[in-house]
Amino acid sequence: EAQVTQNPRYLITVTGKKLTVTCSQNMNHEYMSWYRQDPGLGLRQIYYSMNVEVTDKGDVPEGYKVSRKEKRNFPLILESPSPNQTSLYFCASSLFSSTVLNTEAFFGQGTRLTVV
Amino acid sequence: AQSVTQLGSHVSVSEGALVLLRCNYSSSVPPYLFWYVQYPNQGLQLLLKYTTGATLVKGINGFEAEFKKSETSFHLTKPSAHMSDAAEYFCAVILSGGYQKVTFGTGTKLQVIP
Repeated sequence: EAQVTQNPRYLITVTGKKLTVTCSQNMNHEYMSWYRQDPGLGLRQIYYSMNVEVTDKGDVPEGYKVSRKEKRNFPLILESPSPNQTSLYFCASSLFSSTVLNTEAFFGQGTRLTVV
Repeated sequence: AQSVTQLGSHVSVSEGALVLLRCNYSSSVPPYLFWYVQYPNQGLQLLLKYTTGATLVKGINGFEAEFKKSETSFHLTKPSAHMSDAAEYFCAVILSGGYQKVTFGTGTKLQVIP
């Protein structure tokens, strides 16, 4: 079954304690991205990756890091979490195609992060 | 720069009534437009998309949307609401040319009243 898997689904942590949210996809997609979802703000892109070892900032990258060492994995790293990073996070993947015909994004189930 | 505006953060309809969720976009080049649905405690799922060709696009669960370039709109409709349609709906835009910068609207929560 084609899917994007995020872990953990729920996480409560304290300010400053480094954490990693994992994301893995089994569709051989080139493009992966992270979003945060906040009430009234919709989804905002944090980072994206167009292929292995190719990453770039989205709209709200401050306080986050990513890496793309393998095609299937795209972890999100918070080196020193702060309360304003309390949010619902989604990982997504899609094919990267210049025709854009196959760019449906597949989303993970989400990770609800609370930083206290 | 591209942007998406969804009018109405909350929309309530009676079961069996018409559903209309509004989306307007701003883009300097031809856009590709998407509607996603998010059920409680779930990720986003694609409802439908417009890339090229026919401007009236049909999606899953009886939803459809029409791309109107002159109005820069991509409104989502369904003739008859069902209780299971209660969810949050997001409009999204990607600029043509292959660069996959996705911009989402702020979302519209649809409530269906029995």
